[in-house]
Amino acid sequence: NAGVMQNPRHLVRRRGQEARLRCSPMKGHSHVYWYRQLPEEGLKFMVYLQKENIIDESGMPKERFSAEFPKEGPSILRIQQVVRGDSAAYFCASSPTGGFPGANVLTFGAGSRLTVL
Amino acid sequence: KQEVTQIPAALSVPEGENLVLNCSFTDSAIYNLQWFRQDPGKGLTSLLLIQSSQREQTSGRLNASLDKSSGRSTLYIAASQPGDSATYLCAVRPPDTGGFKTIFGAGTRLFVKA
Repeated sequence: NAGVMQNPRHLVRRRGQEARLRCSPMKGHSHVYWYRQLPEEGLKFMVYLQKENIIDESGMPKERFSAEFPKEGPSILRIQQVVRGDSAAYFCASSPTGGFPGANVLTFGAGSRLTVL
Repeated sequence: KQEVTQIPAALSVPEGENLVLNCSFTDSAIYNLQWFRQDPGKGLTSLLLIQSSQREQTSGRLNASLDKSSGRSTLYIAASQPGDSATYLCAVRPPDTGGFKTIFGAGTRLFVKA
């Protein structure tokens, strides 16, 4: 079991470019969560997805950010027209299919570190 | 609104010392509390998960306790080692909106000196 896989691990973009971060959940997991960790801060919830559905995106900035989890393939966090303030570590987590999400252990990926020049 | 606070923010101890990391949360209505370890530039490793009906969990030299009524959890590390140096994060899962929105503390940075 390869765990939660995120790529790229490091991404450098210039202001105004687009960033795409990918997350493949653990085998058997269909719940995916994205968190952002700004420098010297704790992790903040961004969005919760299940296959083909956004369940809650209350932590996503209203503009430029979007997320998807298609039927096939990884979940993608997309940031359009990046600004310096988007520089952060973006973590993906997954939890098992079935059961009650609130009771399940979150398994995190190693994160994708975005640097905006 | 649920908030999680971790004290101290940073801690430096000599090797072999037993230590306690503290976590407090403002709303006692939680599904569970999870302690994580984060190494610099790396992801999060789950250490212990305590369900709301439980009082403590143990794994090796780690013991985590949960007192929901007072909104507190402690992570006890016995006989600390340099390899324990990392940031320790406490996270709770509140029941609103289905319990999936985990709230994290800012962490305690631990440095164990050889």
